Amino acid sequence: EPEVTQTPSHQVTQMGQEVILRCVPISNHLYFYWYRQILGQKVEFLVSFYNNEISEKSEIFDDQFSVERPDGSNFTLKIRSTKLEDSAMYFCASSVVRGPTGELFFGEGSRLTVL
Amino acid sequence: SQQGEEDPQALSIQEGENATMNCSYKTSINNLQWYRQNSGRGLVHLILIRSNEREKHSGRLRVTLDTSKKSSSLLITASRAADTASYFCATDRDSGAGSYQLTFGKGTKLSVIP
Repeated sequence: EPEVTQTPSHQVTQMGQEVILRCVPISNHLYFYWYRQILGQKVEFLVSFYNNEISEKSEIFDDQFSVERPDGSNFTLKIRSTKLEDSAMYFCASSVVRGPTGELFFGEGSRLTVL
Repeated sequence: SQQGEEDPQALSIQEGENATMNCSYKTSINNLQWYRQNSGRGLVHLILIRSNEREKHSGRLRVTLDTSKKSSSLLITASRAADTASYFCATDRDSGAGSYQLTFGKGTKLSVIP
């Protein structure tokens, strides 16, 4: 069964360092998303991406964050200068459609620990 | 305002019993979805119910939606130890212009004791 894959599964970094989290969405999906979950808290929307551009982003997704689809398969989330509060599980998701029929398929997540 | 709040926060039942989890939300929605998350793992989609639907079944899962009360419930019948996980409701906000984001609740942590 097709699945969303994410790498790395766990990354430890120093505050101020740049981090890139990678995702390979399901191949025929058109919409891509990043969510995050701080330990013990809600899953929060960061950004959605369609047709090579951001379609919606939350207030969390500030200038330190960026997303890119560098080729036909990868979808990346970059954090330019990590802060302690960026420590969280980051989930990539993809969907065939959006809106009323928009089931999201999530990856297993990348756990980011900022020291 | 909080969107998608589940209760109870935690639920512990014996294997074979039914588990009921509730979700309330505040804004109008296109659909409501339930997801499951095993500890430390990704989110798995369980079921989606549209705003014009009242009840939906999938295997041992039954979801109801009451848009007048802005609430939904997830019933898992004949629970198994493998159902132990956190369950989240998520709403797709009806903004009129189309919405790409899901808003998740805090989740109900279900423990099924063998």
